[in-house]
Amino acid sequence: SQQGEEDPQALSIQEGENATMNCSYKTSINNLQWYRQNSGRGLVHLILIRSNEREKHSGRLRVTLDTSKKSSSLLITASRAADTASYFCATDATGTASKLTFGTGTRLQVTL
Amino acid sequence: GAVVSQHPSWVICKSGTSVKIECRSLDFQATTMFWYRQFPKQSLMLMATSNEGSKATYEQGVEKDKFLINHASLTLSTLTVTSAHPEDSSFYICSAMPAPYGYTFGSGTRLTVV
Repeated sequence: SQQGEEDPQALSIQEGENATMNCSYKTSINNLQWYRQNSGRGLVHLILIRSNEREKHSGRLRVTLDTSKKSSSLLITASRAADTASYFCATDATGTASKLTFGTGTRLQVTL
Repeated sequence: GAVVSQHPSWVICKSGTSVKIECRSLDFQATTMFWYRQFPKQSLMLMATSNEGSKATYEQGVEKDKFLINHASLTLSTLTVTSAHPEDSSFYICSAMPAPYGYTFGSGTRLTVV
């Protein structure tokens, strides 16, 4: 399977703490994206990082990409209860006509 | 902008019947649409890629005769689950390309086959 791996599978933190999720993938990529999914809902695009970028920020989100290790991390700072959701990385591999391959996901629970 | 509308959001059907799921790009033209399936607490798995006006390309292990995909226009793709069985119960999500802001996903369809 070409599916990426994410860890941890589940993460429980308190409001205000930071949450870090990691993603590893297997092939050369054009870009890597992070998505959020609330239970039973569709996907919300969070951030895209291109293969020639190493770090990107968007609000409370910080994404890093290490193409030599084929890995990425998503950091959510000062987490809120509303951040409770599943988070998926997805890679757009080179030569795949924009098909996305999703990671296994991290279920984040932020408690008050 | 860049809205993908997916209907129905949920459907319950009897075993042996067929179900059609629609995916529409509302404010852009989607030459390519992707269909994914997601089982509970699992990730999204790509089922097929459809290009407007041509046959869909199915991923390995996906039965093309069971999951019929039609992409007859630049704004509409449909997935028909034929002769549905309980094991087809899943969450189906479409995405459309090219979207003005990258990849845009529909809100998903929860299919329950009883």
